[in-house]
Amino acid sequence: AQKITQTQPGMFVQEKEAVTLDCTYDTSDPSYGLFWYKQPSSGEMIFLIYQGSYDQQNATEGRYSLNFQKARKSANLVISASQLGDSAMYFCAIAPTFGNEKLTFGTGTRLTIIP
Amino acid sequence: DTGVSQNPRHKITKRGQNVTFRCDPISEHNRLYWYRQTLGQGPEFLTYFQNEAQLEKSRLLSDRFSAERPKGSFSTLEIQRTEQGDSAMYLCASSPKTSGANTDTQYFGPGTRLTVL
Repeated sequence: AQKITQTQPGMFVQEKEAVTLDCTYDTSDPSYGLFWYKQPSSGEMIFLIYQGSYDQQNATEGRYSLNFQKARKSANLVISASQLGDSAMYFCAIAPTFGNEKLTFGTGTRLTIIP
Repeated sequence: DTGVSQNPRHKITKRGQNVTFRCDPISEHNRLYWYRQTLGQGPEFLTYFQNEAQLEKSRLLSDRFSAERPKGSFSTLEIQRTEQGDSAMYLCASSPKTSGANTDTQYFGPGTRLTVL
């Protein structure tokens, strides 16, 4: 069984500041992947970044980076230099590397960027 | 490169009616997933296909729900005798199942928002 916990229902951040969205996970799978998705008000889930459980380095994709601490079972998303267009729901998700690879999502964090 | 598409984008129906949604995955993606998302929650897994084979169904998928992927390309999700509790966003995702050591990334479509009156 897998579980994702996102403890921040909502966050307000000033434009151009960095923001960290928290995510902790629990899994019995020895190999797994952690994902972050962005969901604007239109509803589409947009893939942002991926971290494999055996990856030694933290993943980065442009302004997004994933702060992966395996011992603490955390996979926080860091957005640098936030922009107004970053306002959206953000979901952390986990999937096993083998088998069905189905995603288990958290409840999300609503991020609002203030101009 | 075309992304995942879903039709219709919105569907309003009366309780007891049948509805069918369609998902067209990214070309050559052999895995296709269906998820359901209710208000204030993250998406929940419903079922998935590898090529034309339906390999797993969630307990959330009652007998009123059926999904197909007849030729391993597009998929349909049908809900019979809809209930108000079926109101949700239905999301489809596809991934290129590989044999590597990484978990494959799922790419989502825009979703179909179902409202049952």
